Amino acid sequence: IAGITQAPTSQILAAGRRMTLRCTQDMRHNAMYWYRQDLGLGLRLIHYSNTAGTTGKGEVPDGYSVSRANTDDFPLTLASAVPSQTSVYFCASSDSRYGTEAFFGQGTRLTVV
Amino acid sequence: EDKVVQSPLSLVVHEGDTVTLNCSYEVTNFRSLLWYKQEKKAPTFLFMLTSSGIEKKSGRLSSILDKKELFSILNITATQTGDSAVYLCAGLRFFGNEKLTFGTGTRLTIIP
Repeated sequence: IAGITQAPTSQILAAGRRMTLRCTQDMRHNAMYWYRQDLGLGLRLIHYSNTAGTTGKGEVPDGYSVSRANTDDFPLTLASAVPSQTSVYFCASSDSRYGTEAFFGQGTRLTVV
Repeated sequence: EDKVVQSPLSLVVHEGDTVTLNCSYEVTNFRSLLWYKQEKKAPTFLFMLTSSGIEKKSGRLSSILDKKELFSILNITATQTGDSAVYLCAGLRFFGNEKLTFGTGTRLTIIP
């Protein structure tokens, strides 16, 4: 079934540890996004990518890095996790060449302790 | 920096009422305005609006975009308890610089 997959579904992480959240889509969408969602703050954009090989910063990029080595994968890395990065993380993709909406993964609930 | 503002932040109405949710935006190289519904997990897509003044409808839900005044509204008529959710709107930039910025959402609660 075509779609967008995130892993892990949830994770408890010790502060200071490195963590990579995985995101894979099989729809050949050109654009991919990472958001964090905290209560009362909606979806805040962390990083995005228009096409393989390019990335851009969103409104809350500090403490996070991304890469887009190919069309399908867009991992998000926390180099040294802090408790304020406790959140639900959503990956999304869209294909503006065909005017599609953004499709979302099911989210990763990350708790940094 | 792109900005999307939704109002009200929350709304509580009785089943059968009609509601209007508001979304204003300031998006560089604006292309489209998107509406999503979020219940327990990931947002689900409702509408994408690109042209001004053209209403999109899906059952009891409808939405319209005003590109001159930079806002959109989402209407829900004859509300049902299943409409209880957070409704999110987002502004999308043009192809080649896709940046999709969301508002904080409107939490809608329908009382039976």
